Amino acid sequence: EVQLVESGGGLVQPGGSLRLSCVGSEFTFSSYSMSWARQAPGKGLEWVSAISGSGGSTYYADSVKGRFTISRDNSKNTLYLQMNSLRAEDTAIYYCAKFNGASSSRWFDPWGQGTLVTVSS
Amino acid sequence: IQLTQSPSSLSASVGDRVTITCRASQGISSYLAWYQQQPGKAPKLLIYAASTLQSGVPSRFSGSGSGTDFTLTISSLQPEDFATYYCQQLNSYPLTFGGGTKVEIK
Repeated sequence: EVQLVESGGGLVQPGGSLRLSCVGSEFTFSSYSMSWARQAPGKGLEWVSAISGSGGSTYYADSVKGRFTISRDNSKNTLYLQMNSLRAEDTAIYYCAKFNGASSSRWFDPWGQGTLVTVSS
Repeated sequence: IQLTQSPSSLSASVGDRVTITCRASQGISSYLAWYQQQPGKAPKLLIYAASTLQSGVPSRFSGSGSGTDFTLTISSLQPEDFATYYCQQLNSYPLTFGGGTKVEIK
């Protein structure tokens, strides 16, 4: 069964940094784009970032551009999200997702269980 | 690309037919997915390519539409279907989600 497991969340002060990790298993990790999405407490889903299978192409939401960096280590089947200059509004559950695609369709499946990031002094 | 879901919430009874709509601010072909999220859980894929049912998802779920207007239909609501539903466009970056529709028990 394809599985994604996130880690690295926690409490951080405003202006601080945190690195999230997402380990994938039971699929050829390097063949798939991957993505991060987040959900603030009691709010809807927000897409954060995506990266191609090789890592050569990256994409960001305007809300995190210049502060967050997505990367991957295909030898370790691991996706990362480096988060700098964190703000209170970055408080959320962060999910990683496998980004699937075919000739005329794309979708996120599966999603990890999520890791909570709390930005507060 | 903005996605507008309606309604934002609805109350329905077991056995009811439920329809949720998702409108895109510009054409996205069929690059639309639907997810179900239970409280405290990660989102689960229901439908991709606007109308393709994900493996393992009950056939009471269906999707339709292309371009800018899309619909998710639950033909006969079951107790386990009470959840929040999100649409997502994957046509172009930045990817976006609709605001969600919370389906509650009447």
